[in-house]
Amino acid sequence: AQTVTQSQPEMSVQEAETVTLSCTYDTSESDYYLFWYKQPPSRQMILVIRQEAYKQQNATENRFSVNFQKAAKSFSLKISDSQLGDAAMYFCAYRSIAPPLVFGKGTRLSVIA
Amino acid sequence: EAGVTQFPSHSVIEKGQTVTLRCDPISGHDNLYWYRRVMGKEIKFLLHFVKESKQDESGMPNNRFLAERTGGTYSTLKVQPAELEDSGVYFCASSQYITGENEQFFGPGTRLTVL
Repeated sequence: AQTVTQSQPEMSVQEAETVTLSCTYDTSESDYYLFWYKQPPSRQMILVIRQEAYKQQNATENRFSVNFQKAAKSFSLKISDSQLGDAAMYFCAYRSIAPPLVFGKGTRLSVIA
Repeated sequence: EAGVTQFPSHSVIEKGQTVTLRCDPISGHDNLYWYRRVMGKEIKFLLHFVKESKQDESGMPNNRFLAERTGGTYSTLKVQPAELEDSGVYFCASSQYITGENEQFFGPGTRLTVL
């Protein structure tokens, strides 16, 4: 069975600085998808960024980018120029060709003004 | 476009009582999923509907949990009788397709507390 591990329960970053959230996963499949979801306090989870395993190029979405290392089974999220609105719970998730999503335990990110 | 909605947002019940959670997916989304997060743990998959049919219910913890999706629209998740370990946040998600990079859109969750 696939597993996702987020080893940082909590992280903090100064406003305007850069922070990297770690995620590793375990799978025997060669084709899959990886996601980072963000859940702000008392709000619903939204997709931040996604990566297809067959694509070597790392995905980017504005200030958010990933470092996808397929051989190492690592999928970290980098947030540049952190903003107060980035404070949230971040979940790393894995998905095979078909559902469901397999999640990590999450990392709570605090942004310090 | 309205997102995924869930009702109620919070529910506090006594052990042994029954609770029914409701999820309204995004209109047109055939795929509906239920997930649960117990405090401090991972978000775990419960089951997946395609229209009104249960595609995968491998994550349902036991027969105290009953999910339905009548007419392929909204879904309900009933817990009867509730136990202390059922406490957690229940998330619903929906997607138009299941293959490729198709995104699952999540609702805000229902926080269930069993006393």
